[in-house]
Amino acid sequence: AQSVTQPDIHITVSEGASLELRCNYSYGATPYLFWYVQSPGQGLQLLLKYFSGDTLVQGIKGFEAEFKRSQSSFNLRKPSVHWSDAAEYFCAAYLITGGGNKLTFGTGTQLKVEL
Amino acid sequence: DAGITQSPRYKITETGRQVTLMCHQTWSHSYMFWYRQDLGHGLRLIYYSAAADITDKGEVPDGYVVSRSKTENFPLTLESATRSQTSVYFCASSDGGNQPQHFGDGTRLSIL
Repeated sequence: AQSVTQPDIHITVSEGASLELRCNYSYGATPYLFWYVQSPGQGLQLLLKYFSGDTLVQGIKGFEAEFKRSQSSFNLRKPSVHWSDAAEYFCAAYLITGGGNKLTFGTGTQLKVEL
Repeated sequence: DAGITQSPRYKITETGRQVTLMCHQTWSHSYMFWYRQDLGHGLRLIYYSAAADITDKGEVPDGYVVSRSKTENFPLTLESATRSQTSVYFCASSDGGNQPQHFGDGTRLSIL
């Protein structure tokens, strides 16, 4: 079955430290891939997307993600975390087919930032 | 300002009651979606719509009804609410089937 997996439910990092959030997908073909961020009491905000081309994509708020076909991964990174980055992060994927328009989400990673 | 608006933001109701959650977007996006968010499940798609008068089931459609008479509105109705439908509901829109979705701020629904 098609799925998106975020192995880490919770991650804690110190402010100023680097961050990597993991995302793996299970599809036959390369999907369209997204990372979203959700602050408490709010909806999801798009951080970045990968459709094709350069496997390293830049997003908003200083985030980037790297698509690795061989590992079926799309990990999110940030070189230096700020306290305001504390939130929940969701990886999501569309399968590129002629039918179906369903965006599949991972179960999320809750990021805590220690000052 | 352009955007996607959900109302109400909070709702408490009783089992068996009918409740409608509203969603309005100003982008003229063709696609609209309803999700529910529950701890441990992430976001699950309830229904989606590719255009006015076109709707289709998602992963968890049972107990919900949708309509889309106008492009900008996509109401979600719980015809007879149950406690298992206590959740946070998100509406989203996009301008294509595989394009990024833009989310509203959600409706927190509690069913007693």
